[in-house]
Amino acid sequence: SQTIHQWPATLVQPVGSPLSLECTVEGTSNPNLYWYRQAAGRGLQLLFYSVGIGQISSEVPQNLSASRPQDRQFILSSKKLLLSDSGFYLCAWADKHNQPQHFGDGTRLSIL
Amino acid sequence: AQTVTQSQPEMSVQEAETVTLSCTYDTSESDYYLFWYKQPPSRQMILVIRQEAYKQQNATENRFSVNFQKAAKSFSLKISDSQLGDAAMYFCATKQGGSEKLVFGKGTKLTVNP
Repeated sequence: SQTIHQWPATLVQPVGSPLSLECTVEGTSNPNLYWYRQAAGRGLQLLFYSVGIGQISSEVPQNLSASRPQDRQFILSSKKLLLSDSGFYLCAWADKHNQPQHFGDGTRLSIL
Repeated sequence: AQTVTQSQPEMSVQEAETVTLSCTYDTSESDYYLFWYKQPPSRQMILVIRQEAYKQQNATENRFSVNFQKAAKSFSLKISDSQLGDAAMYFCATKQGGSEKLVFGKGTKLTVNP
């Protein structure tokens, strides 16, 4: 069966520091991969998605970037974190052809 | 652009009773999909049920069922025989066919009272 791993679970970072959140999927090949952010008390907002290695689509302009160096690895990064980057970040995967998305356990990011 | 509206910020239900969560959406597409996700306090986002817009039959998953009214663009979730473990935030979401973007509502917080 397919599993998705996301780490770390929680992260506290100072303003201006770099960021790297990692997400890996097991049990499937060539999945679509997604990064979402959830603000407190709100729904999810799609940040990036990828349909293949090296293919990244950005949904909103921001201080973040994403990369997909391997088929089942998706990384969310920032060179300099802002206070507004605080939130709950969720990675998700889906098989092709309009299959539902399945989410990781998320990372709680706090910027001080 | 697609939008999803959940008009009930909070709902409560007695254990073993039935509750219905409302969702309306707006889309100009004919090919789209609708989803309900559950987010318990652990924060994991769990798929509850899925509906293809081209299917007239309402989707059902055990105690969870939907009332899909395509003309009214309504997609409500019914939870029967509510259990304490059903307590969570419930998010309605939609996705256009061929698009990768899931659009979420703001969620409904469901409390289950023993």
